[in-house]
Amino acid sequence: EAEVAQSPRYKITEKSQAVAFWCDPISGHATLYWYRQILGQGPELLVQFQDESVVDDSQLPKDRFSAERLKGVDSTLKIQPAELGDSAMYLCASRTSGRGGTDTQYFGPGTRLTVL
Amino acid sequence: QKEVEQDPGPLSVPEGAIVSLNCTYSNSAFQYFMWYRQYSRKGPELLMYTYSSGNKEDGRFTAQVDKSSKYISLFIRDSQPSDSATYLCAMSVSMNSGYSTLTFGKGTMLLVSP
Repeated sequence: EAEVAQSPRYKITEKSQAVAFWCDPISGHATLYWYRQILGQGPELLVQFQDESVVDDSQLPKDRFSAERLKGVDSTLKIQPAELGDSAMYLCASRTSGRGGTDTQYFGPGTRLTVL
Repeated sequence: QKEVEQDPGPLSVPEGAIVSLNCTYSNSAFQYFMWYRQYSRKGPELLMYTYSSGNKEDGRFTAQVDKSSKYISLFIRDSQPSDSATYLCAMSVSMNSGYSTLTFGKGTMLLVSP
């Protein structure tokens, strides 16, 4: 069964350091999402890609966060510099197409970030 | 007030009980309604998806949507210890761009004891 892959699964870093997370969506899925999930909360969208283009990054803290999906397949989310409040689970999800229809998103296992 | 409200629990029930999980929402533009299950330290997995008001059944799970009351429910019959997880409701609406976005509730933690 096809799955969304993410790495690393866990990351511990000190504040002010740079961190990067990688996501490989299900093959053929044009739409890719990055979410942040704080403990005890639901996932919140950070950025949405359609192929290699950003569709929605209105909730992405652009002063420290960046995301790219250069070839429209896998994606990288970067935080520089990391702050204590960035400690959370970072989830990647993908779906066949972002337009209309059912919004059936498939999630990866997530990267749990701890900032010390 | 958040767009989607969900009681975080925890909700503790004995094995075999019927479980009722609920969410309310304020945005009448939401079109699709989903329930995700999330085990500890894992990503969410889709359980149920519904579009219209009414009931949808899948095995031991029944999803119910009442658009007039802006209220959705997930019922689990004959609950099992393996059902112990956090259940997230999620709703989507299409933006002007044609793309849709998901809004999640906080999740309800369910504990089913043997």
